Amino acid sequence: AQSVTQLDSQVPVFEEAPVELRCNYSSSVSVYLFWYVQYPNQGLQLLLKYLSGSTLVKGINGFEAEFNKSQTSFHLRKPSVHISDTAEYFCAVSGWGNKLVFGAGTILRVKS
Amino acid sequence: GAGVSQSPSNKVTEKGKDVELRCDPISGHTALYWYRQRLGQGLEFLIYFQGNSAPDKSGLPSDRFSAERTGESVSTLTIQRTQQEDSAVYLCASRPGGAHEQFFGPGTRLTVL
Repeated sequence: AQSVTQLDSQVPVFEEAPVELRCNYSSSVSVYLFWYVQYPNQGLQLLLKYLSGSTLVKGINGFEAEFNKSQTSFHLRKPSVHISDTAEYFCAVSGWGNKLVFGAGTILRVKS
Repeated sequence: GAGVSQSPSNKVTEKGKDVELRCDPISGHTALYWYRQRLGQGLEFLIYFQGNSAPDKSGLPSDRFSAERTGESVSTLTIQRTQQEDSAVYLCASRPGGAHEQFFGPGTRLTVL
């Protein structure tokens, strides 16, 4: 079985500061990893994905994530956040049939 | 192009009533998924359709839940005899064949009184 743990339920940060949202997964097979963002009252939007190849993946809106197989982690980072980045972020792992198993989510609150 | 659409956007119903939620996937996407998002929680997988194969129903929480999909088009999720614990946002996603990423609709917010 696969599972995803997002270690922080909420992360407050000041505008223009760097941020890291942590994600750990467990899986007995090769995985595909994703980060999705959900703005208030909206559906999920894909930020970035890791399928294979380079362990550092870049996504939209200046976000990036690093796949670390030995630590089974896929942490999301941004060097300088904006107020508009305030949203909930979900880490997910893809299993058989490409069903997504999601973490519980991390609410990023960017303060001015 | 058009994204995944869902209707209604909001649904309020009384306990014990049946509800139908609709999902229109992106044209040409062979795979379709339903997820449930309870307040303050992540998404739970409900059911998965892939082409003409038998659907994967392993995530349906009870026999009150069922879903259908006609070919590679519209899907409906039906909840019979709704309970208050069914209150959640129901999200639909579609995926093109050979790809791994899913594209999500805006969801249907279901409130059972």
